[in-house]
Amino acid sequence: QKEVEQNSGPLSVPEGAIASLNCTYSDRVSQSFFWYRQYSGKSPELIMSIYSNGDKEDGRFTAQLNKASQYVSLLIRDSQPSDSATYLCAVKSGGFKTIFGAGTRLFVKA
Amino acid sequence: GAVVSQHPSWVICKSGTSVKIECRSLDFQATTMFWYRQFPKQSLMLMATSNEGSKATYEQGVEKDKFLINHASLTLSTLTVTSAHPEDSSFYICSARDLREDRGERKLFFGSGTQLSVL
Repeated sequence: QKEVEQNSGPLSVPEGAIASLNCTYSDRVSQSFFWYRQYSGKSPELIMSIYSNGDKEDGRFTAQLNKASQYVSLLIRDSQPSDSATYLCAVKSGGFKTIFGAGTRLFVKA
Repeated sequence: GAVVSQHPSWVICKSGTSVKIECRSLDFQATTMFWYRQFPKQSLMLMATSNEGSKATYEQGVEKDKFLINHASLTLSTLTVTSAHPEDSSFYICSARDLREDRGERKLFFGSGTQLSVL
C-alpha cells in the first residue's frame, strides 16, 4: 500500500465549478497535511496546510481533514483555467520526512 | 515567505561526468534540507535528508556513493550526481524547513528545481 494515495486523474471541470481532490494516507500518526500545486516543469508551491480535523478555508480553497478515516481533501471553488495543474497531497509523520502522493492532474475548461 | 534558491535550473551533461546542484536558503537558516527526484508525470520521490554538520540520511534504494550530499552550512546543501548516466536524467528539487519549525511552522519551502539531462 502506498503511503499517500491520490487519483491520478485527469480531473476535468468547467470554469466556475467546484473541483474536488482527494487523498488518503496510511500512517495513522501523521500530523501535518499539505496540498501543493505544481505546474509542468516547475517546483511545487504550497496551497494549503491543515493540522487538525475539520475544514480550513483560504480564499477559493478549502482543505478538509478526517484523521479517523485517514483522509484529506481539497476543494477549489469557482475554478479558473489558471488552476489547471497537478495537485500534490503531502503528509508529514512524526519525523522530518514529508511524503508526497503521485498527484492529481486537474484541467479547468474555459 | 521563505526563499530557497536552487542552481542550476537545467544542465545537460555527457554520460560519465559529475554534476553538482546547489540549494541555498536565502532568508532563513535550515538545519535540514531534503532532496527529491521527480520523473515525468510522477510524484516527488524523497532521495535523502541533508543534515547540517552531519551525514545525510538516504532513502532505501538511493545510492549514497552516487548521489553525494554535503550540507556544510545552515544555508547551503549540495547534491552531486557522480558518473551520471542517462537513467539519472530527471527533475531534482531541493526543499528546506525553516528553523522556526519549532514554533509550529511546518512548511517546506522548495527550490525551483534542476532539470538534468544526461546524454
